[in-house]
Amino acid sequence: EAQVTQNPRYLITVTGKKLTVTCSQNMNHEYMSWYRQDPGLGLRQIYYSMNVEVTDKGDVPEGYKVSRKEKRNFPLILESPSPNQTSLYFCASSLASGSWETQYFGPGTRLLVL
Amino acid sequence: KNQVEQSPQSLIILEGKNCTLQCNYTVSPFSNLRWYKQDTGRGPVSLTIMTFSENTKSNGRYTATLDADTKQSSLHITASQLSDSASYICVVIHTGTASKLTFGTGTRLQVTL
Repeated sequence: EAQVTQNPRYLITVTGKKLTVTCSQNMNHEYMSWYRQDPGLGLRQIYYSMNVEVTDKGDVPEGYKVSRKEKRNFPLILESPSPNQTSLYFCASSLASGSWETQYFGPGTRLLVL
Repeated sequence: KNQVEQSPQSLIILEGKNCTLQCNYTVSPFSNLRWYKQDTGRGPVSLTIMTFSENTKSNGRYTATLDADTKQSSLHITASQLSDSASYICVVIHTGTASKLTFGTGTRLQVTL
């Protein structure tokens, strides 16, 4: 089944403890992206990647890192999480980066930083 | 600032009834406009996509309209079903900048018996 998977789905952590949220897609998509969704705000893009070893900042990149060493994986790294990073995170992928491409979203990761 | 605003914020309707969700945007120029459905606890799923030159696009019981002059879009749901209960998000994709999306905050629809 073609899909975007994220792990973990739920995570509770404490301020300052490094964590990684994994994202993987099995559709051979070139483009991958991370978003966060907060109440009262639309999804906001954190980072995106047009292809392997090519990443760029989105609208809210502060406090996050990403890497794209393989085409299928795009992990999101929080080096020193803070409470304001408590949010619902979505990974998405599309065949290419063009504006016509449909993005397919993962199921989401709900993060609570205490 | 590019914005996408949706109304109403939430809506409750009876099963079988129709409803219309609104989206106003200031993003310009834009490549296309999409409506996504997001079930609780799931990621958004694309319902419709329209270019600035299209007026309407249907996907089963979902019909999206677009008025590029007034910068308004709507999503009409016909003969609602319980499974339509979800958040509906309007998304505008910018011209020229690959994969730059501006999301609305969504309308939360609840369909009841």
